[in-house]
Amino acid sequence: NAGVTQTPKFQVLKTGQSMTLQCAQDMNHNSMYWYRQDPGMGLRLIYYSASEGTTDKGEVPNGYNVSRLNKREFSLRLESAAPSQTSVYFCASSESRKSPLHFGNGTRLTVT
Amino acid sequence: AQSVTQLGSHVSVSEGALVLLRCNYSSSVPPYLFWYVQYPNQGLQLLLKYTSAATLVKGINGFEAEFKKSETSFHLTKPSAHMSDAAEYFCAVSDQSGGGADGLTFGKGTHLIIQP
Repeated sequence: NAGVTQTPKFQVLKTGQSMTLQCAQDMNHNSMYWYRQDPGMGLRLIYYSASEGTTDKGEVPNGYNVSRLNKREFSLRLESAAPSQTSVYFCASSESRKSPLHFGNGTRLTVT
Repeated sequence: AQSVTQLGSHVSVSEGALVLLRCNYSSSVPPYLFWYVQYPNQGLQLLLKYTSAATLVKGINGFEAEFKKSETSFHLTKPSAHMSDAAEYFCAVSDQSGGGADGLTFGKGTHLIIQP
């Protein structure tokens, strides 16, 4: 009963490096999301995908790209990492666009 | 666009005392409202949700919240705090207007500290 699985759990990047954060859900949910969590800021939506084949920008999309590979998987890519992208990233999924979200355990990213 | 305000970034209560975490929202239409809990180094877990049925909503771990439209509030309460309740709590709102982004808009969180 995995739910939402994120990899990796931790990552350290140098400024300018690229990486992809992976997310997979096994609940057959239509909608998937990427949030970032920063101290005192709560969670802010980066990108979301309402269904397979569609993606849309959230509140803070700059510097990120996403791919909805299939119904299960939704990846987040940093093409050229910046120190401002140091954060904890959470992937989430939901049955529909207005349903509660189910979260993964997060990826803690540090950009030096 | 909707927004959520959580009053108090840190709340400290004694074990056995009442827990009250405050949440106010702004929304142009009746919203769906949620409370989530986050334990250290973990993801967020749903505590309870309001989706326009009963205004008093009961959740897991003895928590409940009351939707008050006149006050635009959705405060979270628990009659008797336990040490295991120490965590970060987030209030969130879902836009039911049909426009705007999907997903939830979160408050900045309240860190609940339980004193022995």
